[in-house]
Amino acid sequence: KAGVTQTPRYLIKTRGQQVTLSCSPISGHRSVSWYQQTPGQGLQFLFEYFSETQRNKGNFPGRFSGRQFSNSRSEMNVSTLELGDSALYLCASSHGLAAINLNTGELFFGEGSRLTVL
Amino acid sequence: AQSVSQHNHHVILSEAASLELGCNYSYGGTVNLFWYVQYPGQHLQLLLKYFSGDPLVKGIKGFEAEFIKSKFSFNLRKPSVQWSDTAEYFCAVPSTNFNKFYFGSGTKLNVKP
Repeated sequence: KAGVTQTPRYLIKTRGQQVTLSCSPISGHRSVSWYQQTPGQGLQFLFEYFSETQRNKGNFPGRFSGRQFSNSRSEMNVSTLELGDSALYLCASSHGLAAINLNTGELFFGEGSRLTVL
Repeated sequence: AQSVSQHNHHVILSEAASLELGCNYSYGGTVNLFWYVQYPGQHLQLLLKYFSGDPLVKGIKGFEAEFIKSKFSFNLRKPSVQWSDTAEYFCAVPSTNFNKFYFGSGTKLNVKP
């Protein structure tokens, strides 16, 4: 079974530009979550989608948005990039109805998209 | 709201040394606790978890963690580390309705051969 796939793996943008990141969850997983990972901050929850609906949102500005398609693939977009948006963006998927599987408590993460903003 | 804190940001050990990484949580209700590990260049993966029952839980690769309610702690331990344990370790607690994780800031472990 293929794991969570994120593209692109690395990208460099300049301030003011916008970026779109893509995530393909494990087959059969309908919940997709996004996290931002920065040194010293750990992982911060961005948002979670299930069946094309955003169910939960973290404390990030409106420049951060996302969506999910009918095949459960998800994208996140960051507009008007700032230097502080440089981070590793992680996508995770889960089997079941909750964002985190209630039986196993496990999230399956992709390897991330590393964004550098210059 | 739930939160976890990790006070060791960077730990350097020699092979065969014992490891203990601290994790403290702040939540008075039912607690579920997790440790995730991120090896260099790899995806984050589950190391072990505590849901209920025996407070001493064992995970993959010889890791274990003990849930101590009176100390609000869930420290990760390994009796003898290997070079391949070099990674970043994250403590995490789910929100009450399991819709997201709250992660600690992470501890980078560097094991010298």
